[in-house]
Amino acid sequence: EVQLAESGGGLVQPGGSLRLSCAASGFTFDSYWMSWVRQAPGKGLEWVANIKQDGSEKYYVDSVKGRFTISRDNAKNSLFLQMNSLRAEDRAVYYCARVIRSGYSTYYFDYWGQGTLVTVSS
Amino acid sequence: QTVVTQEPSFSVSPGGTVTLTCGLSSGSVSTSYYPSWYQQTPGQAPRTLIYSTNTRSSGVPDRFSGSILGNKAALTITGAQADDESDYYCVLYMGGGISMFGGGTKLTVL
Repeated sequence: EVQLAESGGGLVQPGGSLRLSCAASGFTFDSYWMSWVRQAPGKGLEWVANIKQDGSEKYYVDSVKGRFTISRDNAKNSLFLQMNSLRAEDRAVYYCARVIRSGYSTYYFDYWGQGTLVTVSS
Repeated sequence: QTVVTQEPSFSVSPGGTVTLTCGLSSGSVSTSYYPSWYQQTPGQAPRTLIYSTNTRSSGVPDRFSGSILGNKAALTITGAQADDESDYYCVLYMGGGISMFGGGTKLTVL
């Protein structure tokens, strides 16, 4: 059974840093692209970042470029999101999601974790 | 900047049919955007419904279907049930590793 479990959320002051983790199990982790998706309270879903199987390609939504870094440790079946210079508008539930990306034929998120809440407040 | 558009809200009667759409602020949605659809109830993680325009994810009832209607992607629910009352999101793949969510549609079944 595919499972994704996020951790690392919490309360942080504006300008602070936080590192989120996502523990993956039930599938061959290093065969899949992975993503972070967030949802601010009462708002819609927002794609945040993608990372290729070997970590060689990373993509970000403009609002987090230069502040957030997505990474992975395939030996530990883990996905990470390092968040620096946090702002109030980064407050959200952060989900990790497995990506199905197959050449020119498809792209979608097929499995999701339950999310971890990040609160940015003084 | 391109925005993915969805109806903010929609209502449908039990047993009725509803079509939610997913468009672009500029341009048309085609299968090349690999539109996908997700269902989310409050406090829960999203659930994948449809991918690659019209392929149902495993375990998704066949009352959910996807298509391209005109210049938009569409999610149709035929024979709506009470537990279909949820938020629905589309995702378009914009290329270059970038994907975008629509703003979501809150569906009420009443």
